[in-house]
Amino acid sequence: GAVVSQHPSRVICKSGTSVKIECRSLDFQATTMFWYRQFPKQSLMLMATSNEGSKATYEQGVEKDKFLINHASLTLSTLTVTSAHPEDSSFYICSAREGRQGGVKGGTEAFFGQGTRLTVV
Amino acid sequence: AQSVTQPDIHITVSEGASLELRCNYSYGATPYLFWYVQSPGQGLQLLLKYFSGDTLVQGIKGFEAEFKRSQSSFNLRKPSVHWSDAAEYFCAAGSTGASKIIFGSGTRLSIRP
Repeated sequence: GAVVSQHPSRVICKSGTSVKIECRSLDFQATTMFWYRQFPKQSLMLMATSNEGSKATYEQGVEKDKFLINHASLTLSTLTVTSAHPEDSSFYICSAREGRQGGVKGGTEAFFGQGTRLTVV
Repeated sequence: AQSVTQPDIHITVSEGASLELRCNYSYGATPYLFWYVQSPGQGLQLLLKYFSGDTLVQGIKGFEAEFKRSQSSFNLRKPSVHWSDAAEYFCAAGSTGASKIIFGSGTRLSIRP
């Protein structure tokens, strides 16, 4: 199957600093990528949908100024956690589906990165 | 509203026993359905998926799932579990194209030796 690479896998940062997480689709083009957050022993919560060349769509309750998403190319989306606080510590996972919005090539599964464990101290 | 429900938070089965993990969905139309497995601290691995056609879907690692439209269910089964199957299992649903996938709350599977 297709591969999604997420980097870094683990990061520790100080409160008040910003952290960037990268998500790359290695062997396919993904016009849309998704960012999830997972708290310990909980499910994945969709944070935002990242659209190549346009603004991301954020889920209700997610601060778009806090979690900046950039999808500058068909294979790369980045999530920047700005002015991080300890409550931002979590496991962040990105995913990408092959195909374009609107169902030109629909019905494929989402491929997931291995996740990034963010710890803010 | 679209939702995926996994009613069992934690299940423990004996090694070699059969397994069934439940999943129900609520969607406007028949969604695409998935089962993913996650080991601690790891990303997600796709076990199987249903898009259309045969309602009994075979996946990796000996897993299968059956789509039942009348019950809005997509339960995951395995005839004989192995200790290595201990993990968190997520049922998920999505629609056509590159639209988002939503997840159930997960079922943690423990294996009794």
